[in-house]
Parts: sequence; C-alpha cells; structure tokens
Amino acid sequence: SQELEQSPQSLIVQEGKNLTINCTSSKTLYGLYWYKQKYGEGLIFLMMLQKGGEEKSHEKITAKLDEKKQQSSLHITASQPSHAGIYLCGALQGGAGNMLTFGGGTRLMVKP
Amino acid sequence: DGGITQSPKYLFRKEGQNVTLSCEQNLNHDAMYWYRQDPGQGLRLIYYSQIVNDFQKGDIAEGYSVSREKKESFPLTVTSAQKNPTAFYLCASSKVGGAEQFFGPGTRLTVL
Repeated sequence: SQELEQSPQSLIVQEGKNLTINCTSSKTLYGLYWYKQKYGEGLIFLMMLQKGGEEKSHEKITAKLDEKKQQSSLHITASQPSHAGIYLCGALQGGAGNMLTFGGGTRLMVKP
Repeated sequence: DGGITQSPKYLFRKEGQNVTLSCEQNLNHDAMYWYRQDPGQGLRLIYYSQIVNDFQKGDIAEGYSVSREKKESFPLTVTSAQKNPTAFYLCASSKVGGAEQFFGPGTRLTVL
C-alpha cells in the first residue's frame, strides 16, 4: 500500500518568513492533493497536482510535484498568522475510485 | 449554498454503547467517505461508498458500520466492538473519477 511521509511534523516560523513543507510517497503519485485544516475543523482544499513538474499557486502558497512524481512540496511566501494550521497531503490511490491516502500532517504556527 | 454537514459537533458516549454520526451533502456527489483522525496524525479511511446501496471497507473498518440508503446521506455507526473510538471523525464527498473531496466540519467523539 502507498505511504505518504510529511516533513517537518511541526514548524514554528516568524511572520513574514518563507517556509516549505514536503510530502514524499513510497510509490508514484497519480494525483496529489494539498489540504489545510484548522484545529478541530474540516479540511479545506488548496490544490491538486497530477503531472510531473506541475506547479500551481494560490495567493502566497505554491505547490509543486517533482518530475519523478514521488514528492511534492508546498511553499508559503511571507507567512502570516492566517496561514497557521495543519497542512495535509493526500495521494490518489491507483485503480478505481477516489480513495486518498493521507500523510501525517504538518502543524504550522506563525508567530506575529 | 451547497455543502456537507455533520452532526453533532461533539458527542459523548459511555463504553458499551453504539452511537451514530450523521453526514449529509447537497452537492449531488455520488461518492462519500468516512475518515478517522487521531491527535497529531493524518486521516485514515473507515468506509466509502461510490453509489447508493453500496459501500466498501477502508483501512480501519472493524468496529464500524455504515449505510447508504440515499445519495445525500452516509451515516456512520460506531459500535461497542470498536476498542478505541475516541477520535475526530470526518465525512467527505466527491464526484467519482479523481475529483477533489469536500469535507464536513467533523464530529469529535469522546468515550467516557
């Protein structure tokens, strides 16, 4: 079965600093989703990547899927307190259906 | 507004009792999912359904049961057979075919 490992597990940054979160898969990624979660709430969809080398941006958040399609990175530029939360990557499992395997999450805190 | 709702937000249960968590969506999605999230961990799939009157076990189905009698509804029952039911439960829905999953706000279940 596919496994996703996220790093770091937690991160504390000063407001205004850049940061990167990584998601590494044990198998080729056919679809990689990034979600954000506020503590005790549901997940908010950020971006989906499918093609090797693909890069997408939304406001100050950029996600990339590497050429070999086994790793994705999420980069936040000029972090703000509103970026705080848990970031989760989810990989589309091969075969029929929409089942996702999730990484363990990265907990981000942004200090004002 | 279309969306996915879960109720209740907080639920307390005595050991040995069954309890049912509600999940309703008005997004006209065919697929629905139940996940469990433990503190500091990612999501694990309990059950999923891609069509009415059909559902499949996920990675951790033991001690849980579901039904899918209507397209809009996918209730989850946590039975007394579930040894460690205290967790945060998330419901999601999606179109079939690799589309993003939309998540509800979650239900926090605590066994007393």
